[in-house]
Amino acid sequence: IAGITQAPTSQILAAGRRMTLRCTQDMRHNAMYWYRQDLGLGLRLIHYSNTAGTTGKGEVPDGYSVSRANTDDFPLTLASAVPSQTSVYFCASSDSAGYTFGSGTRLTVV
Amino acid sequence: AQSVTQPDIHITVSEGASLELRCNYSYGATPYLFWYVQSPGQGLQLLLKYFSGDTLVQGIKGFEAEFKRSQSSFNLRKPSVHWSDAAEYICAVGYAQNFVFGPGTRLSVLP
Repeated sequence: IAGITQAPTSQILAAGRRMTLRCTQDMRHNAMYWYRQDLGLGLRLIHYSNTAGTTGKGEVPDGYSVSRANTDDFPLTLASAVPSQTSVYFCASSDSAGYTFGSGTRLTVV
Repeated sequence: AQSVTQPDIHITVSEGASLELRCNYSYGATPYLFWYVQSPGQGLQLLLKYFSGDTLVQGIKGFEAEFKRSQSSFNLRKPSVHWSDAAEYICAVGYAQNFVFGPGTRLSVLP
């Protein structure tokens, strides 16, 4: 089934640790995104990539980095996790028809 | 600044009743408009979208939405709600990477 795969589904992480959230799509979409979803704040864009080899900062990029080595993969890295990064993270891709979202990664930083 | 407002944080309706969820936006030009549904612990599923043309659009699961340019609104409706419709509904507007999501409206359905 075409779509986006995120891993892990959930994770408890000690503060200060490094963590990479994985995202893979099989729709050959050029554009990909990482959002975090927090209660009352909705979805906020962390980073995006318009095409392989390029990335850009979204609304809340601090503490996060991304890479886009190829069309299919768009990993999100937390270099040194802090409790405020506790959230649900969604990866998405888009074409002219709209966005497709992954099922999310629930991250708890303790 | 671009923004999306969903005035109702939480709505409760009885099964079989009609439903209208509000969405208002502020955007520089007429954007593309979307409604998504999110079940607990799940990702977002596209219900319907408006790009151009007929301002009344039909979506999946019996939902429809009407674009009103003069009111900058894109309200979601369903004539008869089912218990399985209980979920979070998120309105989104934008174009390309300039996408803005509303905070969502949580729908509860009483038996």
